[in-house]
Amino acid sequence: GAVVSQHPSWVICKSGTSVKIECRSLDFQATTMFWYRQFPKQSLMLMATSNEGSKATYEQGVEKDKFLINHASLTLSTLTVTSAHPEDSSFYICSAPGFGSYNEQFFGPGTRLTVL
Amino acid sequence: GQQLNQSPQSMFIQEGEDVSMNCTSSSIFNTWLWYKQDPGEGPVLLIALYKAGELTSNGRLTAQFGITRKDSFLNISASIPSDVGIYFCAGPLGGFRDDKIIFGKGTRLHILP
Repeated sequence: GAVVSQHPSWVICKSGTSVKIECRSLDFQATTMFWYRQFPKQSLMLMATSNEGSKATYEQGVEKDKFLINHASLTLSTLTVTSAHPEDSSFYICSAPGFGSYNEQFFGPGTRLTVL
Repeated sequence: GQQLNQSPQSMFIQEGEDVSMNCTSSSIFNTWLWYKQDPGEGPVLLIALYKAGELTSNGRLTAQFGITRKDSFLNISASIPSDVGIYFCAGPLGGFRDDKIIFGKGTRLHILP
């Protein structure tokens, strides 16, 4: 299957700072990537769809000015959590559709964000 | 909106037992996906189903795409300790490879010592 990486795997930051998370497709190109957030013992909640060369599409209730998404190339999407607060602490996971014709998605290993 | 109802929410079993979990929806899906998530990691695709009635196996795992397109089940035979984790069903909201997918709430599998 397709390989998706994320960096960093975990990050701890102070309240009010911004944090950038990278998502890369390692052996394929992805014009679309997806960003999810997962709170403890809950399912994955889609935050936004990242589109290469155009603006991201955000799900209802997700603040686009707080969660900045940039899909600068066919293998890289970044999520920046701006002015992070403790309630933003969560597990952030990205995914990308595989290179076949079917609509499976392949997930990165996730980034654990802790805001103090 | 579309939802996936996954059951059971959690299971406590003995090693060696078989496991069955299912996923239902009020809407039709053209693809059913089953993922497993280990603690602190991203979900890993286990089985993908593309045709109504399709039965697919991956080792000890077997999944079926319901004939009505509104349900799917996943079976695990002869469970082992590494089967512990959260199993999610998921379905794409459209028919294209770039469409977003929605997830069920997961089935947490525990194996009793």
